[in-house]
Parts: sequence; structure tokens; C-alpha cells
Amino acid sequence: DIQMTQSPSSVSASVGDRVTITCRASQGISSWLAWYQQKPGKAPKLLIYAASSLQSGVPSRFSGSGSGTDFTLTISSLQPEDFATYYCQQANSYPFTFGGGTKVEIK
Amino acid sequence: EVHLVESGGGLVQPGGSLRLSCAASGFTFSSYEMNWVRQAPGEGLQWISYITTGGSSMYYADSVKGRFTISRDNAKNSLYLQMNSLRAEDTAVYYCARTRGSGWYDFDYWGQGTLVTVSS
Repeated sequence: DIQMTQSPSSVSASVGDRVTITCRASQGISSWLAWYQQKPGKAPKLLIYAASSLQSGVPSRFSGSGSGTDFTLTISSLQPEDFATYYCQQANSYPFTFGGGTKVEIK
Repeated sequence: EVHLVESGGGLVQPGGSLRLSCAASGFTFSSYEMNWVRQAPGEGLQWISYITTGGSSMYYADSVKGRFTISRDNAKNSLYLQMNSLRAEDTAVYYCARTRGSGWYDFDYWGQGTLVTVSS
């Protein structure tokens, strides 16, 4: 199975800050990577697919990059509604594993 | 508008069975591969099962293989998860999730989830 490792597990940031979350795959997955946002008590929401493609309706302050084993999710200017937990997911092969999550908290 | 609505969760004793359903609307259900993803309380996301558009192929996570069965009824726009031999570690919110398109294995729409609690 492909293991997905996210870092950091949590980050404290202020509104307007630039936030970067990293995700590493245990083996190469080309660009088969997605990012999700989840708020408490809610279902996950797809933000980024194919490592860098923005899902329809997602604000442009979210961006993704990377290929192979190393990927990043960047929020260019953190907004109040962005405080949530973020997960990466490899979409290369089953089992379709998720990272452990990164909680973005208010500083 | 795409809607996925899960049902069938509840409290069940260890070793028991439960059948989850996911009612789909707002899209051509038969054209999309579907999945079940679960989340234990306070934990992260775990993909557990996938089914092709026609239901001919299914994949499972090792943790549920042999105990859970995914199925679908395209005429009823419904996805199912039959869960047998349930264990305490199966306690979680179970989400149905649509794959974004054929050959893509990320999930663009999710239901609100249904809670399964396995406890005596």
C-alpha cells in the first residue's frame, strides 16, 4: 500500500498568512494526488485534483504543486473560513490512501 | 445539484451486521464509480471500498475485505454497503463518495455521512 505522510499535523496561523502543507507518498504517484478540506461535523470537500488542478468553485487562493512523491498545498492568504483540517489522498492505485491530516488553527 | 444521502447507520453489537444505503440524485448515477470512506471518531479518513459503474468490479481495503460487500442498483440510483462481523474498530462515520470521472480516483461529491457504532 502507498503511505501518505502529511506535515505538519497542525499549524497555527493568522488571517492573511500564507500557509503551506506538505504531503509525501511512500512511492511515486505521478500527479495522482488530491487535497480535501474538512470542517468539524461536515463531509470533506475536494479542493485540488491531479496535484495542481483547482476544483470548480474553489477560491484561487488555494493552489497545489508537486509530482512523484512530494506535494504541497498552499493557501496564499488565509481567510476565516479556511480554518479546517486538510487531507491529501493518493489517487494512483487502490487502496486509495489518505494522509493523516493537517489542522489549521487560529493563532 | 448533486446530492448523496446515506442512511442505515446505528448501534450494533460486535459480530452483528448492518446495511448502509446511499441515495444519489442530481446526476446520472450509472455513469459514475462510487466509494465508501469512513472516519473513526477524532481520526482521519479511510477509504474502504470502490465499485465500478456497472457493479462488475469492486475493491476493498484489507481491514474490511471478506466482511463488507459494496453493491449498487443503478435503476434505483442507490449504493449499498453490507457490513458483517462488525468489530469495535468499525465504529465510524461512513460516507459515500463519487469519483470525479471514469479513470479518476479522487472524490468530488460526498454525502453527509451516517454513524455506525459497534458496541455491546
